[in-house]
Amino acid sequence: DAKTTQPPSMDCAEGRAANLPCNHSTISGNEYVYWYRQIHSQGPQYIIHGLKNNETNEMASLIITEDRKSSTLILPHATLRDTAVYYCIVRGNYGGATNKLIFGTGTLLAVQP
Amino acid sequence: GAGVSQSPSNKVTEKGKDVELRCDPISGHTALYWYRQSLGQGLEFLIYFQGNSAPDKSGLPSDRFSAERTGGSVSTLTIQRTQQEDSAVYLCASSRGQYNEQFFGPGTRLTVL
Repeated sequence: DAKTTQPPSMDCAEGRAANLPCNHSTISGNEYVYWYRQIHSQGPQYIIHGLKNNETNEMASLIITEDRKSSTLILPHATLRDTAVYYCIVRGNYGGATNKLIFGTGTLLAVQP
Repeated sequence: GAGVSQSPSNKVTEKGKDVELRCDPISGHTALYWYRQSLGQGLEFLIYFQGNSAPDKSGLPSDRFSAERTGGSVSTLTIQRTQQEDSAVYLCASSRGQYNEQFFGPGTRLTVL
């Protein structure tokens, strides 16, 4: 699975949009981009995933560049409860692909009041 | 509906003792994963079960670690002759299928004295 690169930490003001970047320059054509987050002392929580089209759900939006070498997770109106470590993970969804999630170090998002 | 549950939530044991950690996946989920997170370390894959297929044990750190999944549902992770370096949070996750998003339990915090 492709390796991802994320900034170690970011700050965001409460109520503003949080934009979390991720680089995955070695992603292959049939690999998806997944985002999970881990709030302190809890298990990771699935947020969203996508292949090449932008995706939106009730939690966030995922913007994937046309060349698929990077993506941005957008939390439209960050709240204090969104303070967490955010992990960007690339994983194949095809036969023979590893099913495990390979977590990097993630981005610690601190939402400030 | 009910999420992934794990028990116990905390376990303190003495070096050399055996421990068993339990995971109840979401009903109907065919895939089950174990990960661990050591202090200051990232999330590390341990083992993966999918239906009746042979489990992927590639992440188990030593032969002291083993896991079972009975009846395609509940799973038990066993650590024999525990060592202090086994101290970590052990996380279980399940998914509807092998390529679907994973839902994590709250984890079991293991402390080996």
